[in-house]
Amino acid sequence: DTEVTQTPKHLVMGMTNKKSLKCEQHMGHRAMYWYKQKAKKPPELMFVYSYEKLSINESVPSRFSPECPNSSLLNLHLHALQPEDSALYLCASSRRGRGLTNEKLFFGSGTQLSVL
Amino acid sequence: DAKTTQPPSMDCAEGRAANLPCNHSTISGNEYVYWYRQIHSQGPQYIIHGLKNNETNEMASLIITEDRKSSTLILPHATLRDTAVYYCIVRTNTGGFKTIFGAGTRLFVKA
Repeated sequence: DTEVTQTPKHLVMGMTNKKSLKCEQHMGHRAMYWYKQKAKKPPELMFVYSYEKLSINESVPSRFSPECPNSSLLNLHLHALQPEDSALYLCASSRRGRGLTNEKLFFGSGTQLSVL
Repeated sequence: DAKTTQPPSMDCAEGRAANLPCNHSTISGNEYVYWYRQIHSQGPQYIIHGLKNNETNEMASLIITEDRKSSTLILPHATLRDTAVYYCIVRTNTGGFKTIFGAGTRLFVKA
């Protein structure tokens, strides 16, 4: 199984709503990532979890709250988003190992989020 | 992190080789060159990576210059399904686990 599964595929939410994005992998990977991608732009790194601990937060607003309940699961909790947060949210995972530089990322297909 | 420079777009005829260049003149000795591609509406897909030597797999070949300041991704027989954005990334090991995407090259494979 070399898949990263993201749900839902599409999400429409209002600015006062609370929603969550889910990401799952069963490859035994110990690093998981959230990226945000606006139309016709490259993916932008948001968060990195390594061994279930948050290791990188790229100065993401607090209305985005990541969670890594276990090594296979990554969530992104959304609250009070703005219309400009509408984007494709991508999850990725990698094997992880200390000192490694040759790690490839496996990406899910993303959640297309629209904030009204 | 070493920055990369790629042409914004390229065309290739179906069945011909597609050669996608990437400059990474500030690359450090322990940094690898990775290539990913992103087909419309999908997540990025890993293609290949290398450190110094040329690499080949079932998808592509990677040619890295001896000084490591540039590289070329080669798709030997491009098909219409290879139309995508191709990202050249230099992977750092400092500060954690960052894979940072640049603007990439939009490859159009034409029949």
